[in-house]
Amino acid sequence: AQSVTQLDSQVPVFEEAPVELRCNYSSSVSVYLFWYVQYPNQGLQLLLKYLSGSTLVESINGFEAEFNKSQTSFHLRKPSVHISDTAEYFCAVRGYNNNDMRFGAGTRLTVKP
Amino acid sequence: GAVVSQHPSRVICKSGTSVKIECRSLDFQATTMFWYRQFPKQSLMLMATSNEGSKATYEQGVEKDKFLINHASLTLSTLTVTSAHPEDSSFYICSAGNYGYTFGSGTRLTVV
Repeated sequence: AQSVTQLDSQVPVFEEAPVELRCNYSSSVSVYLFWYVQYPNQGLQLLLKYLSGSTLVESINGFEAEFNKSQTSFHLRKPSVHISDTAEYFCAVRGYNNNDMRFGAGTRLTVKP
Repeated sequence: GAVVSQHPSRVICKSGTSVKIECRSLDFQATTMFWYRQFPKQSLMLMATSNEGSKATYEQGVEKDKFLINHASLTLSTLTVTSAHPEDSSFYICSAGNYGYTFGSGTRLTVV
């Protein structure tokens, strides 16, 4: 089975500052990795995913994450955040050989003006 | 891209009644769908894996008779919360698609 640890439950940051949301995973098999964003009272929106190939993946709204196998990490970064980035962010992992996805506890990103 | 539709988005029911939540894959066929539950300010917990044409696989601690899952077609899975109680109030969300990473918009269930 897989598991995910999101090291920070809350991350406050000022607008236009850089941010990193940390995610570490544990698995005995190769994995797929995901970041989701959830706005209040809404479902999950896929932000980006790592399935294979390049270890650096990017989203259309400026976020990026890098798969680091040796450190079992998949940290999410953005060089300059906006107020609208305020939301809950979930890291998730799924093993190659199974169907279910395991989520981290979530990180609440709050962008202040 | 893959789209998963979930209905209803919100439902309020009386204690003791049953509620059915639908999860549909709109532009693809899904032999497997997943049901999750999310408590306020918490992460998502996998409840069960829904398999088309066969029985669902439930995670440990999830009551099969309480949360009935039916996956009768390749585009529809349903979750029925039977004899609902206030403690069943939660946000329920399904997923499907390649790698299982496309989620529906969720259903907010409130049992009064």
